Amino acid sequence: GENVEQHPSTLSVQEGDSAVIKCTYSDSASNYFPWYKQELGKRPQLIIDIRSNVGEKKDQRIAVTLNKTAKHFSLHITETQPEDSAVYFCAASRDSTLTFGKGTMLLVSP
Amino acid sequence: NAGVTQTPKFRVLKTGQSMTLLCAQDMNHEYMYWYRQDPGMGLRLIHYSVGEGTTAKGEVPDGYNVSRLKKQNFLLGLESAAPSQTSVYFCASSYFNRGGRAYDTGELFFGEGSRLTVL
Repeated sequence: GENVEQHPSTLSVQEGDSAVIKCTYSDSASNYFPWYKQELGKRPQLIIDIRSNVGEKKDQRIAVTLNKTAKHFSLHITETQPEDSAVYFCAASRDSTLTFGKGTMLLVSP
Repeated sequence: NAGVTQTPKFRVLKTGQSMTLLCAQDMNHEYMYWYRQDPGMGLRLIHYSVGEGTTAKGEVPDGYNVSRLKKQNFLLGLESAAPSQTSVYFCASSYFNRGGRAYDTGELFFGEGSRLTVL
């Protein structure tokens, strides 16, 4: 089955800095790569996703890049704000199920 | 439009007891999932369903059973609870065919989670 590795497990940045979270996947047939944000005590919520026919997607301060050849994808957050502090999960899918990475706790200090 | 609703939100069980978690969605989604979330382990898929009357095993199905008798409901059962099943359980639902291909998943909509403690 699919295996998704996510790094780093924790990331601390100063407000205004950029943050990058990286994921690799094992199944070359995977074609959908979403990112979820989970605030403390809340449910995970989709923040951005990308499909395998696209190399990059941007939505305001967040962007995702995909390298199919290397089987890795990354989340980029620019101009970080304290409200960006949360756990971020990457995931990969080839059919009806998502396999999640173990998560990255992002801490943004004012 | 409530989205995805899980009940109960909290439960404490003794080892060997049984219980059922109920997930209900009002978005007419075909796909429904049960995940468990443990510290440092991310979200792991227990069982899922791609339609009414169908179920399938996920990554960590042992010790759990599920049923999808109605499209809007997905039940997760623990027949004989064990301390290793102490976790936060999330139900999720999703539409399909969003990408133009059959069986492609789309955005997962999660419930609020159910915290289960097994003593």
